[in-house]
Amino acid sequence: GAGVSQSPRYKVTKRGQDVALRCDPISGHVSLYWYRQALGQGPEFLTYFNYEAQQDKSGLPNDRFSAERPEGSISTLTIQRTEQRDSAMYRCASSIGGGEKLFFGSGTQLSVL
Amino acid sequence: ILNVEQSPQSLHVQEGDSTNFTCSFPSSNFYALHWYRWETAKSPEALFVMTLNGDEKKKGRISATLNTKEGYSYLYIKGSQPEDSATYLCACLSGSARQLTFGSGTQLTVLP
Repeated sequence: GAGVSQSPRYKVTKRGQDVALRCDPISGHVSLYWYRQALGQGPEFLTYFNYEAQQDKSGLPNDRFSAERPEGSISTLTIQRTEQRDSAMYRCASSIGGGEKLFFGSGTQLSVL
Repeated sequence: ILNVEQSPQSLHVQEGDSTNFTCSFPSSNFYALHWYRWETAKSPEALFVMTLNGDEKKKGRISATLNTKEGYSYLYIKGSQPEDSATYLCACLSGSARQLTFGSGTQLTVLP
């Protein structure tokens, strides 16, 4: 696609529900990053893929968070048993390769009630 | 996780003033330093990717320098305009950490 696409744009869910956030990177981009961004703060690293391989998941806050990129393109970030503290903007970014500039999606604003 | 720090946290300047701000990062195992411009309600957009010590990059009125030995980068804006108002983020990639770690940003406001 022309840019990084994320869906949904907004997600409101009740505490305890599972949510799945989707990222469709720029076609041909090898690297895909997930970040979480609080208001007024820089992006906080969650996890990173090269192709389908998850290279680093050290930023995932706990085992309720997981991510996959099974075919090396679209990625899904899943949050199980959501909690209010999970509310944030979740941003996906892709790059042509490791270390290259990131292209960010518009993000998914998650609100857990 | 790398410690990437930016200063100042926020900055107000008058239109026409030149300004600069700092990004500090660990100098060991350095691989790359990125600068991004982030306008409210939009996504961050890349300005520069720098890898070599002493590197200097320029894009219009904005330029950046890199010192990998002492672990800092400066971003300069010459003749600031109101449309330059944004948060400027730096991010560092080291050889040991595969993640691109962002600082908290410098929020620039250019007053007309």
